Amino acid sequence: QKEVEQNSGPLSVPEGAIASLNCTYSDRGSQSFFWYRQYSGKSPELIMSIYSNGDKEDGRFTAQLNKASQYVSLLIRDSQPSDSATYLCAVMGADSGYSTLTFGKGTMLLVSP
Amino acid sequence: GAVVSQHPSWVICKSGTSVKIECRSLDFQATTMFWYRQFPKQSLMLMATSNEGSKATYEQGVEKDKFLINHASLTLSTLTVTSAHPEDSSFYICSAGDRGRTTDTQYFGPGTRLTVL
Repeated sequence: QKEVEQNSGPLSVPEGAIASLNCTYSDRGSQSFFWYRQYSGKSPELIMSIYSNGDKEDGRFTAQLNKASQYVSLLIRDSQPSDSATYLCAVMGADSGYSTLTFGKGTMLLVSP
Repeated sequence: GAVVSQHPSWVICKSGTSVKIECRSLDFQATTMFWYRQFPKQSLMLMATSNEGSKATYEQGVEKDKFLINHASLTLSTLTVTSAHPEDSSFYICSAGDRGRTTDTQYFGPGTRLTVL
């Protein structure tokens, strides 16, 4: 059973601070890793994808991957109240020829003005 | 680019009726489409994976005779919840993979909220 673990939160940070979201996964064969943002009542929106060890930066977002530790993180710099949402970590393996995503339960982020 | 639509966005039905949800990729061809279900305060759970022109692959515990999936074209997949019951009330979300891209990104539709009375 593939598992993706996230702290449910809420993680509360003041506006302008750095928010750090963490995720661990159980399947060592996983190849692709994604961070999605989900606002209440809405479907997930892709923020970042990362495939190799190290850091990947896109604007205010930085994804970090450490396959040896089976750990993925997302840093949000200069957090804004509009960043308040649930952040879902998703891991992709390859089963029977299809690439399926396994989601964590998500971490709720609250950015206070 | 990479827009996925779903219809309807919400539906309320009586117990015992069937409900069909459509998922369309608007600006790309989707070789693979996925159907997820999300209960309140829970994560997305994959229900099934479908490739155009072939039978869907259902996840363990998902009844294939209850949740009928048809992926008749590269831009349309449908999920039919047959004989719906209150416990089927949930947020159903589809996603699609873009065959024109090299990465394995899935693009999500806006979701359909189903309420069974």
